[in-house]
Formats: sequence, C-alpha cells, structure tokens
Amino acid sequence: AAGVIQSPRHLIKEKRETATLKCYPIPRHDTVYWYQQGPGQDPQFLISFYEKMQSDKGSIPDRFSAQQFSDYHSELNMSSLELGDSALYFCASSWQGEQFFGPGTRLTVL
Amino acid sequence: KQEVTQIPAALSVPEGENLVLNCSFTDSAIYNLQWFRQDPGKGLTSLLLIQSSQREQTSGRLNASLDKSSGRSTLYIAASQPGDSATYLCAVKGGGSNYKLTFGKGTLLTVNP
Repeated sequence: AAGVIQSPRHLIKEKRETATLKCYPIPRHDTVYWYQQGPGQDPQFLISFYEKMQSDKGSIPDRFSAQQFSDYHSELNMSSLELGDSALYFCASSWQGEQFFGPGTRLTVL
Repeated sequence: KQEVTQIPAALSVPEGENLVLNCSFTDSAIYNLQWFRQDPGKGLTSLLLIQSSQREQTSGRLNASLDKSSGRSTLYIAASQPGDSATYLCAVKGGGSNYKLTFGKGTLLTVNP
C-alpha cells in the first residue's frame, strides 16, 4: 500500500541557511499535517492543510512557511535556521480521521 | 488547551508478560484517539485508532480502550515479545485543538528475553 513519502530523509545545514522539506501524501487523502519532534520530545504540531488551504496553525516559527500544491504535495520552508531547529520533521496525511505518518526528515543544523 | 499524559514513562518487563500502558487527556471533547509505536530515530507507526463513539479496538495482541468521559485510554499488550520494545505514543485529535493530534510524551517499553 502507498505510504506518505518525505524527502529528503536526512538534511544537514549551517546556521542561517534555508531548508525545504517535501511531503507527498497518500493518494486521495485530503489533509496534510506537519509535526516537529525534537530530541527526546513528543511530536509538536506545526501546520496543516485541507484541500490546499491552511486549516490550522500550531507553534510554527515565523521563519517557517508551508504550502500545499495543486497535486496535493506539501513543502515546509525553513529560513534563518537555528541550532534549535535540529529535529525530526514528520508529515502526515489523513483519511476519515486517521493520520498516517511519513518516515520523517532528520534535519541537523550545524 | 488539550494536555495528554502517559504513565509510566518507562516500563521493563520479561518476555511473555501481559502489560498495560495508560494515557489520560484533559479535554474530553475529542474526535478520536490513536496509539502509535516509534522505534528509536524512526517514524510513527499507527497501531490502533479509536473513534470517540467507540469503547475499544483490537488488533492482534493489542487492545485499546477508551473512556472518553473520564479522559482515559489504555493500551493492553498480550504475551509481550522482545520485538515489542519501542516507545508507545498516545495522541488525541480534537478537544479544543481542532484536527491536529496532541501527543503524550510516550512510554518507553523494554521487553527482556
């Protein structure tokens, strides 16, 4: 069965650089969510999109932005990276209330 | 604001034991509750989804219950195996948080051979 695809799986950036994370939801899923999981922490909600419109916003820094495109894939753009942005970034898509998570992108900021 | 608490934070059991993981949430106005498994540095695997109208769900050796009015859920694992060793996360959808999931901090389970 198709799963949520995230790319890249690993990303290393320097402070103040920019990163773009991509998410391809499961076909026909109508909602995409982004979560951030710091070391030893539980996942924290960042932002979600329903039918290409932003539907909810969590603790997402102003340096981050996201969008969902016409083909339903989503991108999380992160600028002026800080050491504290190092984390696992998960994308999830949902169908009938159940959320399915991708494998995550591990971002390391040096 | 929805808050999710999981007890215990860590649990170590011998192989073959039955065990219960606990999850509580502060706002009972939830849409559903999901239990996830996470291996170190890996993604989240959905184990069970319980809708707010349901009392329990079963999948193989796993059984999850939900008492929405008291804000509690349990995950029962029967005949535990070393391969069950992982962090188990409880997450609720709704309860003032719209459609996002609010996670607990997880229970780190170790099953010893």
